[in-house]
Amino acid sequence: AQKVTQAQTEISVVEKEDVTLDCVYETRDTTYYLFWYKQPPSGELVFLIRRNSFDEQNEISGRYSWNFQKSTSSFNFTITASQVVDSAVYFCALSEAGSGNTGKLIFGQGTTLQVKP
Amino acid sequence: NAGVMQNPRHLVRRRGQEARLRCSPMKGHSHVYWYRQLPEEGLKFMVYLQKENIIDESGMPKERFSAEFPKEGPSILRIQQVVRGDSAAYFCASSITFGLNEQFFGPGTRLTVL
Repeated sequence: AQKVTQAQTEISVVEKEDVTLDCVYETRDTTYYLFWYKQPPSGELVFLIRRNSFDEQNEISGRYSWNFQKSTSSFNFTITASQVVDSAVYFCALSEAGSGNTGKLIFGQGTTLQVKP
Repeated sequence: NAGVMQNPRHLVRRRGQEARLRCSPMKGHSHVYWYRQLPEEGLKFMVYLQKENIIDESGMPKERFSAEFPKEGPSILRIQQVVRGDSAAYFCASSITFGLNEQFFGPGTRLTVL
């Protein structure tokens, strides 16, 4: 069964602090994709990253970095030197790419990040 | 290159009315996914369509909900006889192919049932 768990419901930090959002997934497929999306207060979904199951290299994009560890089925997201504009709900998602799969995204419950000035 | 368009952005219906939500995928995309976000919850997959075909409707409620993606025109998610529990944000996403490619999300339609 496929599942994505974001155990942190809400996180509150003060500006300039680093913050890590956890994501743990379950899948039986050996080929899959993991995603992070940001949903700001305006409500739209903003794509942040896609990572395939064969690429365990960590990725950094500006203040954002992602740590993918297959051994623990985790795909954590870190924001360095957080800013007020980072306040949003962040979703981790899984898409299985094995035979018979249609690419639908399975989302976690989301983590609400509040960055205070 | 326009992104995924959804309309209306906000829709208010009274219980028992019908709601029609439209989604125009990005140019060149022939795969459409619909997701529902209930209040304070994550997004849940509803249905996946290609032009003129429903491929996966495993997330659709068994009654009152239907979806189509005709050869011409937008994809339509139709909810008949709406109830208060249908109040949610409905997002569609399009993809150039299924599975391996990024899904581009529309801005969503926020349905409120009075």
